[in-house]
Amino acid sequence: ETGVTQSPTHLIKTRGQQVTLRCSSQSGHNTVSWYQQALGQGPQFIFQYYREEENGRGNFPPRFSGLQFPNYSSELNVNALELDDSALYLCAIKGGDKIATEQYFGPGTRLTVT
Amino acid sequence: GENVEQHPSTLSVQEGDSAVIKCTYSDSASNYFPWYKQELGKGPQLIIDIRSNVGEKKDQRIAVTLNKTAKHFSLHITETQPEDSAVYFCAASRGNRDDKIIFGKGTRLHILP
Repeated sequence: ETGVTQSPTHLIKTRGQQVTLRCSSQSGHNTVSWYQQALGQGPQFIFQYYREEENGRGNFPPRFSGLQFPNYSSELNVNALELDDSALYLCAIKGGDKIATEQYFGPGTRLTVT
Repeated sequence: GENVEQHPSTLSVQEGDSAVIKCTYSDSASNYFPWYKQELGKGPQLIIDIRSNVGEKKDQRIAVTLNKTAKHFSLHITETQPEDSAVYFCAASRGNRDDKIIFGKGTRLHILP
């Protein structure tokens, strides 16, 4: 068990709506990343937060945004949902100040957009 | 752009035999190569990783090899067991604080009884 939790586990939304997904860990980790995993594909990097600031972003539009809180929990917000946003959304945590540390994933939130 | 290619997409092996999954990467600045196992309904689980200053790493029945010159790395699973059935992902990263992990498309491994 990674100790990373995500909520909700499943979610169904309608095109054009907005959604907020949440991620937390049992112990504080100062870096959290979010990934989108479409069916049958590998996870794709959305963005990363380090000490409450975004410090890396993948090829995703601005309607994907996030927050990291002082307790290191995190949110992923997606506005104006599109059908292609249907996917498993994963958060991953890594801790410490090592240059290259392992990332540990949560179980994901399955988002379906109809 | 950065890319990780993974082969094969599906692999079936007899229980007890070995399985090999191969990956190539395009970003020559990559220096950290994790492998993840993903079971149905779960997030990816880190099973082993290797850094660019090492050519090979082994952990019980799992081993990884890295050829930085050729930009190839491989996962070897020996004495396969039914619980090894899952989707396996290779990945590459530059290993900086703001690094992102670039994943391959995955290999679905079936262990046949």
